[in-house]
Amino acid sequence: DTEVTQTPKHLVMGMTNKKSLKCEQHMGHRAMYWYKQKAKKPPELMFVYSYEKLSINESVPSRFSPECPNSSLLNLHLHALQPEDSALYLCASSQDDDGQETQYFGPGTRLLVL
Amino acid sequence: QKEVEQDPGPLSVPEGAIVSLNCTYSNSAFQYFMWYRQYSRKGPELLMYTYSSGNKEDGRFTAQVDKSSKYISLFIRDSQPSDSATYLCAIRNNFNKFYFGSGTKLNVKP
Repeated sequence: DTEVTQTPKHLVMGMTNKKSLKCEQHMGHRAMYWYKQKAKKPPELMFVYSYEKLSINESVPSRFSPECPNSSLLNLHLHALQPEDSALYLCASSQDDDGQETQYFGPGTRLLVL
Repeated sequence: QKEVEQDPGPLSVPEGAIVSLNCTYSNSAFQYFMWYRQYSRKGPELLMYTYSSGNKEDGRFTAQVDKSSKYISLFIRDSQPSDSATYLCAIRNNFNKFYFGSGTKLNVKP
């Protein structure tokens, strides 16, 4: 099973709303990632969690707040977003050891901020 | 200089053609190389990964890494219309950070 699941698939929110994106994997991967992807652009890294600890934060605005409750789950809490934050938000996971370095992506949450 | 450079295309080929997709990278320390396929409005799907130099084959797909030139390639044999997608190369550093190329949009015409 190489599946990463993400919910919801689509989300529309106003600039004053608070919402959360969820990601789950059951491959035993210990590294999990959030990416943001705008149309016709490659994914841009936002956050990396390694062994449930935040290891990389790519200077993401504080209106995005990641959380890793356990090794299988990754959340992204959204608050006071701007219309320019509309994008496809991708979660990914990888083994995080020398055995297997491939990264698997979920289908993404398509976010529209009005 | 970007860590990974990739021609965005678009690349249009007839069905059955051999497709060659390429990326160059800047840091000779990179060891892990991946190719992803992304259909419109979907997440990237891992196609191939290679460690260090050499070739790797999987069905109609062959990934090639030339570390001396810092050049990676993906070849698709007998291309099909269903191969029409954006292909992203990706490289991983030693700190779990993945660098993506800009993606090459491929169109295989029936």
